[in-house]
Parts: sequence; structure tokens; C-alpha cells
Amino acid sequence: AQSVTQLGSHVSVSEGALVLLRCNYSSSVPPYLFWYVQYPNQGLQLLLKYTSAATLVKGINGFEAEFKKSETSFHLTKPSAHMSDAAEYFCAVTRTGANNLFFGTGTRLTVIP
Amino acid sequence: DTEVTQTPKHLVMGMTNKKSLKCEQHMGHRAMYWYKQKAKKPPELMFVYSYEKLSINESVPSRFSPECPNSSLLNLHLHALQPEDSALYLCASSQEMALRVTEQFFGPGTRLTVL
Repeated sequence: AQSVTQLGSHVSVSEGALVLLRCNYSSSVPPYLFWYVQYPNQGLQLLLKYTSAATLVKGINGFEAEFKKSETSFHLTKPSAHMSDAAEYFCAVTRTGANNLFFGTGTRLTVIP
Repeated sequence: DTEVTQTPKHLVMGMTNKKSLKCEQHMGHRAMYWYKQKAKKPPELMFVYSYEKLSINESVPSRFSPECPNSSLLNLHLHALQPEDSALYLCASSQEMALRVTEQFFGPGTRLTVL
């Protein structure tokens, strides 16, 4: 079975500061991991995905994530937060041949001017 | 065209009404999904269609009835809903590739309120 745990339901950072959103996964088979962003009253937009190629994955809007098997983690980072980054962020996991995406509980990012 | 569109954007219905939600994609994707999202919660999978056939039903009550008329369209028929069914309903689509994982593309959702 696959699952993800997002530590911290709310994260606040100052504009220009480092963004770090945490995601740990549990999977009995090689996982495939995703980060999605959701702005208020909108659908989900894919930020980046890990599908067993490079462990450091670069995504849109300056975000990146590193797959660390030893730590079962896939944390999302951005060097410098912008006001426009304020949103809900979801980590999700699936596996080859599956159509199920298992989402974490989400982390709401607030950016303080 | 890399969009998933959903109509209507908002829907208010009574518990005795029958209504339908519509989802459309023109990316050639052969897998389509319905999710339900309550406020401040992650999306929960309801149904998956693969090549126009229902492949996953996550024990959804029968008052929700999905339909996939063709590879581009996905409907969700609603009947005799309860107030607790009020939520954001998201549609998604993805390529169907058995040996690869592909990302799901989400629509903007339909905000449903049941009175």
C-alpha cells in the first residue's frame, strides 16, 4: 500500500525566504511521487513529479524536490518565496500500473510581505 | 490543448433534484477520474474510467452515477443528494500507459451546494 504524510498543515514564510514543505512516503514498491498546488477555488496544478529517473526534480515556478530513499522523503523547496506562492500544496504517491493517486493532507503556505 | 474543462462552475441543488456535472478533455487521454474534495481536505478518488469503461468505484453511494459517453467526455449524474455531499468535484484525465506512470491533469472543479 502507498501513502504520504505531510508534516505541517500550515507553513508561513517571509517573502524572499526559503520555502520547505515536507513529505514522507510509505510504499512497498518503488513509488512515483508528485507535488500539486491548488489556488483558492481552483483545481490542482502539477508542480513536479518523480518517476525513478533523476532524484533531484525541477518543476515549474522555481520549485524543486529531492527523492531520498534512505529517508523516504520527497520534500518540496524553493529558494525564494513570492507572494504568488501562497496556496495549498499536496504531495501524492502512486505506482506503476495504478490509476490511484494517494494524496497527503496538504500544507497551506502563507507568504508574509 | 492541455485543458480539462468542467461545467458548471457552481451548482446549487435541492435534495430531490437531478443534475449532472460535465467534464471534457481533448488531450487524447484514455483515463478519466472523478474526485470529491471537502474544504481543507485532500481530493478523494470516487471513480476511474479507463478506455471508457469503469475500472474503479471507491464504494461511492449510488446517488452518484458516472458515465463516459466517449473518450473525451465524462459525466457525473446526481440524484437525491444529501447536504453532506456539498463539496468541490474535480475531474482529471491522464494517459493510460500500463508500464509508465503519467500525471493527472485536473479541471477547475464544480462547486456543489446541496440544500
